[in-house]
Amino acid sequence: DIQMTQSPSTLSASVGDRVIITCRASQSISSWLAWYQQKPGKAPKLLISKAFILESGVPSRFSGSGSGTDFTLTISSLQPDDFATYYCQQYDAYSGTFGQGTKVEIK
Amino acid sequence: EVQLVQSGAEVKKPGESLRISCKVSGYNFANYWISWVRQMPGKGLEWMGLMDPTDSNAKYSPSFQGHITISTAKSSNTAYLQWSSLEASDTAMYFCARHNLISGYDYWGQGTLVTVSS
Repeated sequence: DIQMTQSPSTLSASVGDRVIITCRASQSISSWLAWYQQKPGKAPKLLISKAFILESGVPSRFSGSGSGTDFTLTISSLQPDDFATYYCQQYDAYSGTFGQGTKVEIK
Repeated sequence: EVQLVQSGAEVKKPGESLRISCKVSGYNFANYWISWVRQMPGKGLEWMGLMDPTDSNAKYSPSFQGHITISTAKSSNTAYLQWSSLEASDTAMYFCARHNLISGYDYWGQGTLVTVSS
């Protein structure tokens, strides 16, 4: 099965900071990579699919890049509403493995 | 409007059986796989398995194979996650999600909290 390794596990940042989260797959997944945001007590929310496609309604400060095994999620200017936990997920190969998550905390 | 509505919270004892549900509406149930995701208290998301409603073919994560059963009922547009013998370590929030082959998990249920305690 495909394993996903996400880093860092925790990130402390300030409003306005540029934030980068990375995700690595144990084998090539082409561009079948999604990013989710989760807030406490809520279901995850899909932000980006196919590695770089921004979902409708998601602010343009979020962007995704990468293909094959290495991917990044970038938040260009962190806003108060962005403090949350972020997960990458591969959805290739008839499965849906998640990364371990990155908690973005207020510095 | 696409909706996935899950059954309510459950409190069970170790060794008991349980089936939780995920009723979908707003799209053709047969056109998308359904996946189940576990989130233990304070922990990350874990993919458990998925089912194709058209042929009831299920695939499980190796971590959950043999311990859970995923099923669907096309007549009621409902997916199920079932345990025959719960353990305390099954205490978690469980989410169902629509598995879109193009865009990932685009719609989610609200979650079902399962507590297993003697």
